[in-house]
Amino acid sequence: KQEVTQIPAALSVPEGENLVLNCSFTDSAIYNLQWFRQDPGKGLTSLLLIQSSQREQTSGRLNASLDKSSGRSTLYIAASQPGDSATYLCAVRRMGETSGSRLTFGEGTQLTVNP
Amino acid sequence: DVKVTQSSRYLVKRTGEKVFLECVQDMDHENMFWYRQDPGLGLRLIYFSYDVKMKEKGDIPEGYSVSREKKERFSLILESASTNQTSMYLCASRPRTSGSSTDTQYFGPGTRLTVL
Repeated sequence: KQEVTQIPAALSVPEGENLVLNCSFTDSAIYNLQWFRQDPGKGLTSLLLIQSSQREQTSGRLNASLDKSSGRSTLYIAASQPGDSATYLCAVRRMGETSGSRLTFGEGTQLTVNP
Repeated sequence: DVKVTQSSRYLVKRTGEKVFLECVQDMDHENMFWYRQDPGLGLRLIYFSYDVKMKEKGDIPEGYSVSREKKERFSLILESASTNQTSMYLCASRPRTSGSSTDTQYFGPGTRLTVL
């Protein structure tokens, strides 16, 4: 059974700092990995999706990397801003399932960026 | 932009009531999902559907049923609401697998359900 772990559970940094969020998964036979952001009391917003054949994806100040063999992904946030404060979740989709296959989610890292 | 909408942001119901949560997506996605999210337990999949009238149980289907009569709409039904079903309910949709960035899963804003 796939398990996804995110460390740390919470992180507080001063504005302007570069930071890395970690995600690890136990079964490396994944189809893709997705990073989401969730603001308090809201739904999830997709940030980046990395296919299993890719090593990284970038969007603005965000860069996500994937090392499938070691079961790890990182989300790098450059020059953090107070508006980046949210919970960040990673989710993996297993290889070989039907089109409707499910995502397995980590419990998230709660990020606070202090002005 | 993909839009996934849910019928209510907040809902308060009594124990034993039948509750309907509606979800609509406007991007012609084949796959739709219902999750619940609870502190310390994360996101758990209740049911999903990969086509009209098709449904599959997720990890915690007990006490719930679903309906998908039209491609854009996926309903979650609590047959007889109980206090342990108080939670945040999140709907999501995703296109058929293509092996590209369009495999992204999109979420609605959530419904905070309280059962008294």
